[in-house]
Amino acid sequence: GAVVSQHPSWVICKSGTSVKIECRSLDFQATTMFWYRQFPKQSLMLMATSNEGSKATYEQGVEKDKFLINHASLTLSTLTVTSAHPEDSSFYICSAPPDRGPSYEQYFGPGTRLTVT
Amino acid sequence: SQKIEQNSEALNIQEGKTATLTCNYTNYSPAYLQWYRQDPGRGPVFLLLIRENEKEKRKERLKVTFDTTLKQSLFHITASQPADSATYLCALSGDSSYKLIFGSGTRLLVRP
Repeated sequence: GAVVSQHPSWVICKSGTSVKIECRSLDFQATTMFWYRQFPKQSLMLMATSNEGSKATYEQGVEKDKFLINHASLTLSTLTVTSAHPEDSSFYICSAPPDRGPSYEQYFGPGTRLTVT
Repeated sequence: SQKIEQNSEALNIQEGKTATLTCNYTNYSPAYLQWYRQDPGRGPVFLLLIRENEKEKRKERLKVTFDTTLKQSLFHITASQPADSATYLCALSGDSSYKLIFGSGTRLLVRP
């Protein structure tokens, strides 16, 4: 089956620094990837849609200058949390639907736990 | 605005019984409804997808129903096992977009 990986699986950073999270589709190509954030005991909240070769589309209320997304290739999207603050501490998950259409399931990465101290 | 509701209270059942989870939605006409399983500290794992023109879908011990009139989906796990203990999320999507809107999830605990 299709596999999506994320790196790192967890990261601790100091307030004010930037952190980059990678999302890779290992055995399929994905022109579109999604980034979600999940706070404890809450559901996944879509942050942005990452499009290969073009700018990301951000959901309402998500600061595009704070959460930089780069979809460098058909198998890699990166999310950079800039000037991180403790309130950015969360579980970040990416998903990549295979390029077969929206009538198919999406594949999710294992998530990245970010803790900002 | 679009709203998806799942029972926020945990569902606690005895092993061997059937677990039934509910997903209700408003202000949306989804083309597809999906169910995912999420274990603590992990990403969601796909279980089943049902289309708007389908009433029921089955896969092994899992069954999903989709009632577009009631705007409701029911997710059943028969002969439940302790290994089925997890949080189950329902998600909706339209016909022209991969974008998924998730419910808050229901935690299932199966007692041995």
